[in-house]
Amino acid sequence: QLQLQESGSGLVKPSQTLSVTCAVSGGSIDSGGYSWNWIRQPPGGGLEWIGYIFHTGSTYYNPSLQSRVTISLDKSTNHCTLRLNSVTAADTAVYYCAREVVAAAGDWFDAWGQGTLVTVSS
Amino acid sequence: DIQMTQSPSSLSADIGDRVTITCRASQSIRNYLNWYQQKPGEAPKLLIYVTSRLQSGVPSRFSGTGSGTDFTLTISSLHPEDFALYYCQQSFNTPRTFGQGTKVEI
Repeated sequence: QLQLQESGSGLVKPSQTLSVTCAVSGGSIDSGGYSWNWIRQPPGGGLEWIGYIFHTGSTYYNPSLQSRVTISLDKSTNHCTLRLNSVTAADTAVYYCAREVVAAAGDWFDAWGQGTLVTVSS
Repeated sequence: DIQMTQSPSSLSADIGDRVTITCRASQSIRNYLNWYQQKPGEAPKLLIYVTSRLQSGVPSRFSGTGSGTDFTLTISSLHPEDFALYYCQQSFNTPRTFGQGTKVEI
């Protein structure tokens, strides 16, 4: 059974860099047919897709965040990491990692971590 | 970006009711539409993918229809555990986008 577990900065000061890691167990991040995604949800708000990475290392980021985001994979530890720099209070959110099935019929998020709250505050 | 608009934003219903939630895309997304359920303090959970395919383990009272720009999620008979937030999401292109959510409450 695939499990995703996020761990993160918790509290980050404005202008600093947020870092959240997703530990994947029960499956390999080096498998084809999937992308590894980051999605965030501000308190009381909706879901915003941040970006994804494939096992090849290919990435795509939401244009609204592209200049500040980096997603990477560590295949040796089966981890996926999100870094978001120059944060403001608007980046306060629960950050989720999610696996997306990439199939001929379509793509969907079939597995999610439990999420980790990152608060941006001085 | 493709805008996803759900209606209603919230609804009140009783146990046993038939509930329908609508999702409209700002352009055609063919059938690349997924539905998720989220309960307080939990991550979203996949219910239906590619418009109408039921995720393994999801009760058959959930169903999805639609194509192009208009989609619906139907719960045929509301159970107590179905009171939650529901989101649609398009996977036609990037950036992936979600509807604003529909809250189903008693």
